[in-house]
This record gives sequence, structure tokens and C-alpha cells, in this order.
Amino acid sequence: QQQVKQSPQSLIVQKGGIPIINCAYENTAFDYFPWYQQFPGKGPALLIAIRPDVSEKKEGRFTISFNKSAKQFSLHIMDSQPGDSATYFCAASMNFGNEKLTFGTGTRLTIIP
Amino acid sequence: DADVTQTPRNRITKTGKRIMLECSQTKGHDRMYWYRQDPGLGLRLIYYSFDVKDINKGEISDGYSVSRQAQAKFSLSLESAIPNQTALYFCATSVGRGGTQYFGPGTRLTVL
Repeated sequence: QQQVKQSPQSLIVQKGGIPIINCAYENTAFDYFPWYQQFPGKGPALLIAIRPDVSEKKEGRFTISFNKSAKQFSLHIMDSQPGDSATYFCAASMNFGNEKLTFGTGTRLTIIP
Repeated sequence: DADVTQTPRNRITKTGKRIMLECSQTKGHDRMYWYRQDPGLGLRLIYYSFDVKDINKGEISDGYSVSRQAQAKFSLSLESAIPNQTALYFCATSVGRGGTQYFGPGTRLTVL
């Protein structure tokens, strides 16, 4: 049972474009939503995270948009670069991240020059 | 990544063999986790430990066991490996409530 559904599975975007990765969740007790970035041969690393008291969070070129009523959140990458090519995972947790993380299935993003 | 190390990095074994994957961390974190990653399935939690005496089953613990030998060491064992346990295994650590999870570089395990 997948509690966090992620789409698309793969995405190809031209340099400078804005890739958007979407996630949806069922459990309304989730209250912490991080995104992880994984490069080939490496472990995932935290990219950005949001809590449901805000609708948007920006860190550099990365933005999370959060829609509590729709139980959806998404990652936008502004001015995408070939170095952003990686696999991205959304995740969710309860108790402000104090509980275990439930991950989405991942999106393989390729930015072409 | 050097703060969280995993050994071995790659392992090929046969069905029925006992396998141990080891994780060590120098971050001083109290919490440690084991995940497996499969294509199209993302990361799934196998076991987690909030301190040396607190070990909990995750989403997919069947066929696995763990040992928290010290705050810095968390081992994952496959008592009798089977081919569908072929996967990429990650250890992660975090500190306190709401702490960021830091992942190791992974162990690629193949069970023939």
C-alpha cells in the first residue's frame, strides 16, 4: 500500500525549463514533507522540506508548493541545469518528522543541454 | 557521506547464505535506519532504532534482523538470503526529534 504517490516516474526537460514533480498522500496525520535528491552511486540527501502551516517554501532554485486540502505537494526547479539530473524522492512523516519517513517511488529527472 | 559508512559496498551471494551488512557513523546521532531501494518502488523502511535499546520493525522487516551494537553501529542481517532480496540497501542516521536523515552510500546486494 503506497501511502505517498509520486509522479511522473521519469521526466526529461530542456536546460532552463521548470520540471515539476508531484506527490499525493492519504494520511492526514502527515505533517512533515521533505524532498530528497539522489545522484547515481550515492545515497539520498535532503534537498528541502515543508510543514503544512505554509503553502510554499523556496530554497534557491527549488520550491515546494503545498496544498493541504488536496493532500498534494510538488517540487519545482527553476532555471534547471544539467547538474540537477538526479532521482528525486518525496516523503512524508508524522509528528513533525519525529516519526519514520514514508517515501514516494521516485522520479528520474534528466535535464538536457 | 563519509560520516555514514556502509560495508561492504557490493556483495554477491547465493540463496540460503547468511549475510550481514554493516553501518557505522561518526555523526554522534542517536537514531539509525535501514532501507532497501528497488526500481519503481522507492525506499522502504526495514528497521529503525531510536537508541541502542529501542529497535523497531519497519514496513518490510520479514526475512531481516538487526543488531544495534553501539550508538554508532547498526547491522542488518539476512539469515537465509533469497533472490527477491536483491536490492540496494541504505543505512541512515538522524538526531533527536525531527532531525534530518543522512544516508550512507549504499550496499548493492545480489542474491543468486
